Amino acid sequence: EIVLRQSPGNLSLYPGERCTVACRASQIVDDNFFAWLQHKPGQAPRLLILGASNRATGIPDRFSGSGSGTDFTLTIRRLEPEDFAVYYCHQYARAPLTFGGGTRVEIK
Amino acid sequence: EVELVESGGGLVQPGGSLRLSCEDSGLTFSDNWMSWVRQAPRKGLEWVANMNKDGSEKYYVDSVEGRFTISRDNAKKSVYLDMNSLRAEDTAVYYCARGFGAYSVWGQGTLVVVSS
Repeated sequence: EIVLRQSPGNLSLYPGERCTVACRASQIVDDNFFAWLQHKPGQAPRLLILGASNRATGIPDRFSGSGSGTDFTLTIRRLEPEDFAVYYCHQYARAPLTFGGGTRVEIK
Repeated sequence: EVELVESGGGLVQPGGSLRLSCEDSGLTFSDNWMSWVRQAPRKGLEWVANMNKDGSEKYYVDSVEGRFTISRDNAKKSVYLDMNSLRAEDTAVYYCARGFGAYSVWGQGTLVVVSS
């Protein structure tokens, strides 16, 4: 099983600030089958990034993903009020698919 | 537009069984892998199971292997999760999602509570 460790667990930021979330995998994620999702309370999760660096349909360009192998990063260039949520990394290279533990991004 | 609608959640006693259903209103159900993902209270997302287009491949997280069964009916555009020998730790919101992974389409979730 590929274990994903996200850091930090919590972030407290002002709107307009840059947000960076890291995720480290316990094994190489083949073919960059790696994604980032946003989750807000009471809503379904929302896919942001797939293939490590490709924005999903309709995702604003302030969201970007980078990395390969075992180290991946999600960056939100300038936080908008609607961006305060929990973010998860996710590998879909092999079963069992796994998610990171989540990073809560809160308004400071 | 909501494309995936789950149903079947509820309160069940430990050791009991429940069947979750997910109906897909999209046009390409039979072309897609389908999956179940859950979120326990105050916990993160956990992938549960997925299944390929014709049901010949199924994968499960270790904690549900042998207790849960994923299945599908392409004519009804539905995917199911049969859950047996339920435990308190299975309490969660269960989401169905379209695809093998990196899910762009999700249902709204159905709550399963395992408690006496």
